[in-house]
Amino acid sequence: AQSVAQPEDQVNVAEGNPLTVKCTYSVSGNPYLFWYVQYPNRGLQFLLKYITGDNLVKGSYGFEAEFNKSQTSFHLKKPSALVSDSALYFCAVRASYSSASKIIFGSGTRLSIRP
Amino acid sequence: DTAVSQTPKYLVTQMGNDKSIKCEQNLGHDTMYWYKQDSKKFLKIMFSYNNKELIINETVPNRFSPKSPDKAHLNLHINSLELGDSAVYFCASSHRTGGLSGANVLTFGAGSRLTVL
Repeated sequence: AQSVAQPEDQVNVAEGNPLTVKCTYSVSGNPYLFWYVQYPNRGLQFLLKYITGDNLVKGSYGFEAEFNKSQTSFHLKKPSALVSDSALYFCAVRASYSSASKIIFGSGTRLSIRP
Repeated sequence: DTAVSQTPKYLVTQMGNDKSIKCEQNLGHDTMYWYKQDSKKFLKIMFSYNNKELIINETVPNRFSPKSPDKAHLNLHINSLELGDSAVYFCASSHRTGGLSGANVLTFGAGSRLTVL
């Protein structure tokens, strides 16, 4: 069975500092991995995804994520945080081997950037 | 133009009532989904349709019935509403799933907040 874990409910970072939001996954075979962001009273918006190839994936708003197969992780990073990055972030995984596999979302991490 | 639109945005109703939430997408996607987000922000898939055909049906009470009249619409009807049904319901869509297209990105609607009193 697939699963995604986001071990931190909340991450607090000062503006201008680097940020990391952690994600680990469990899936049979190769994964497709995603990060989405949710602003208050809005639907989720796609940030970036990993399918294959380069382990470092770059996405929207200066975010990037690194796929680490040995650690089954896909942490979201940004070199310099902005107050406007404050939102709820979801990691998601899908098994690549089956067309019937579902996209499973993590429990979300609330990112708070203080000025 | 809104890509995935849901109506109503807010819905307040009494226990035992029947209600519907409508969803429409103008992206030309073939696959549509309903997700439920509870008060703790957990996001769980309920249903998925591909070209009007049901492909994912999670363990959801049969009081919930999705209907897809065409591939651009996926409505959710809920019978005999219960307090535990209170949540935000998100509609989403993507291009066809399967193979590398399984990495297709979901586009979400803004959500429909259902409150059952």
